[in-house]
Amino acid sequence: AQKITQTQPGMFVQEKEAVTLDCTYDTSDQSYGLFWYKQPSSGEMIFLIYQGSYDEQNATEGRYSLNFQKARKSANLVISASQLGDSAMYFCAMRGSRTSYDKVIFGPGTSLSVIP
Amino acid sequence: NAGVTQTPKFQVLKTGQSMTLQCAQDMNHNSMYWYRQDPGMGLRLIYYSASEGTTDKGEVPNGYNVSRLNKREFSLRLESAAPSQTSVYFCASSPASGFSNEKLFFGSGTQLSVL
Repeated sequence: AQKITQTQPGMFVQEKEAVTLDCTYDTSDQSYGLFWYKQPSSGEMIFLIYQGSYDEQNATEGRYSLNFQKARKSANLVISASQLGDSAMYFCAMRGSRTSYDKVIFGPGTSLSVIP
Repeated sequence: NAGVTQTPKFQVLKTGQSMTLQCAQDMNHNSMYWYRQDPGMGLRLIYYSASEGTTDKGEVPNGYNVSRLNKREFSLRLESAAPSQTSVYFCASSPASGFSNEKLFFGSGTQLSVL
């Protein structure tokens, strides 16, 4: 069965510093997609970044980058130059199944607090 | 742009009552999803629908039923609500089935309390 693990329930980072949020996943599929979403205290879900299992380069989107290590089944999110507005819950998600890409599961999340 | 619309936003039920959460999207998406969010457990997939006319169980389907009424609408029904179903429920959609890079578009959530 597919599973996503985020081992850091809560993280603190100083403003302007970089932070890495961990995500490991378990799947027997060869082809799958990995995503990170942000959920601020307002409750909305915001898409941040995507990495395909066959992508050779790590994904980047502005201050967000994804450290993808396929052999280790990890897809860590790196946020550079943290800002106060980065304080939120962060969820790792995976799309993929044996038969289709329709099923999307999430990890338990990491709560990030940015300290001024 | 309405996107994904969920109703109601808040609901309080007594144990044993039934109710239906409504979800509609206006983006012509094929796939739709229902998740529940509980503290420390992230979003757990209840049911999903890859296309009109199809539904599949997710990680936590027990106690729920769904209906893909048409391409736009995907409803979630609690036949006999239990306190364990107290949660925030999110509906989501994505454009088409069969592609790994499609992100989800989320509704604003429904806060459900079962007393």
